[in-house]
Amino acid sequence: RKEVEQDPGPFNVPEGATVAFNCTYSNSASQSFFWYRQDCRKEPKLLMSVYSSGNEDGRFTAQLNRASQYISLLIRDSKLSDSATYLCVVNEASGGYQKVTFGTGTKLQVIP
Amino acid sequence: ETGVTQTPRHLVMGMTNKKSLKCEQHLGHNAMYWYKQSAKKPLELMFVYNFKEQTENNSVPSRFSPECPNSSHLFLHLHTLQPEDSALYLCASSQDKRGGDEQFFGPGTRLTVL
Repeated sequence: RKEVEQDPGPFNVPEGATVAFNCTYSNSASQSFFWYRQDCRKEPKLLMSVYSSGNEDGRFTAQLNRASQYISLLIRDSKLSDSATYLCVVNEASGGYQKVTFGTGTKLQVIP
Repeated sequence: ETGVTQTPRHLVMGMTNKKSLKCEQHLGHNAMYWYKQSAKKPLELMFVYNFKEQTENNSVPSRFSPECPNSSHLFLHLHTLQPEDSALYLCASSQDKRGGDEQFFGPGTRLTVL
């Protein structure tokens, strides 16, 4: 099983739609979780951290399910500008330091 | 945004060349990272420096040699690369690697090895 797994997509959704991505992780001791966004030929940028209690930032909601070892990202009212690749990032403690693992990313295309 | 800068942005080199990639962060962070991003693959962590000390080397071939002279600068020295080393090389920094903090990425160097 891959350490961090995402459906690569692409997810093609119309403007205004709601779309959700999941990301599964294999190490139950993983400690912190993030969603990054990467536009084509650009660097990744933090979208939001994922907290145990879930968190919301405008149209974006992130959830963590430790029992099933997955995190999710929900985007409501999709905009054309949301088109990008969404990277799941999982941190786990390793030798006193954090080991950072990126998923392969899920590509989202919002169509007019 | 100029938090993390990388030069050059594009590099084409032959297999016998020696070149260096440079990364500079202006955020006062203590940890810096080199990643490799190839098509259809997740970001691969190559090296981590925390307070100028190398704390991680993910089985990277010796043809890649990192250097971190201070907390703000990170280099990746390249020599005798292979065509399969062609990729986007991303530098990132964070406040402290032990904290699982947000990483800030530079724009990357797109490397082509002929």
